[in-house]
Amino acid sequence: DGGITQSPKYLFRKEGQNVTLSCEQNLNHDAMYWYRQDPGQGLRLIYYSQIVNDFQKGDIAEGYSVSREKKESFPLTVTSAQKNPTAFYLCASTTSSPGNTIYFGEGSWLTVV
Amino acid sequence: EDQVTQSPEALRLQEGESSSLNCSYTVSGLRGLFWYRQDPGKGPEFLFTLYSAGEEKEKERLKATLTKKESFLHITAPKPEDSATYLCAVQPNTGNQFYFGTGTSLTVIP
Repeated sequence: DGGITQSPKYLFRKEGQNVTLSCEQNLNHDAMYWYRQDPGQGLRLIYYSQIVNDFQKGDIAEGYSVSREKKESFPLTVTSAQKNPTAFYLCASTTSSPGNTIYFGEGSWLTVV
Repeated sequence: EDQVTQSPEALRLQEGESSSLNCSYTVSGLRGLFWYRQDPGKGPEFLFTLYSAGEEKEKERLKATLTKKESFLHITAPKPEDSATYLCAVQPNTGNQFYFGTGTSLTVIP
């Protein structure tokens, strides 16, 4: 089935540790996005990428890093510099055509222990 | 500044009691407006895309409409399984970003 796969579903991070969230899509979409969702807040953009080997910071990029080495993959690393990383993380993708729908993965929960 | 506001924040309905959710937006120009359903602990599920004022789309008990300043998601004779958070998003003409509202949490009571 075509879709966006995020893994792991649940992840625990110790203080000072970097962790990486995986996002893979087989929809042949050019653009990929990472959002953070906190209770009572809308989705906030962390990073996005329109093409391979290129990405832009979103509104809350500090403490996060990404790479886009393949069209299908857009992993997100939550670094130790992110002081409040406990949240629900959503990966999304869409085609490069303006106005096309953005689709989401099932999300990953990250908890600091 | 591009902005999306959804109201109400929460809505409780009796089964069969129809109502509407509102999504007001401020963008320099609209490429598309999107509605999603999100169940707890899951990713948003796509419902509708609307592109121009006057456009309407329907799916089962849901109907989405669009004006130049807002969109409505009408729910007709809701059932308990319609309980979820409904998210609205817009994509402006400038740039490649999407802007999301904070959602409306809908609870349908049997």
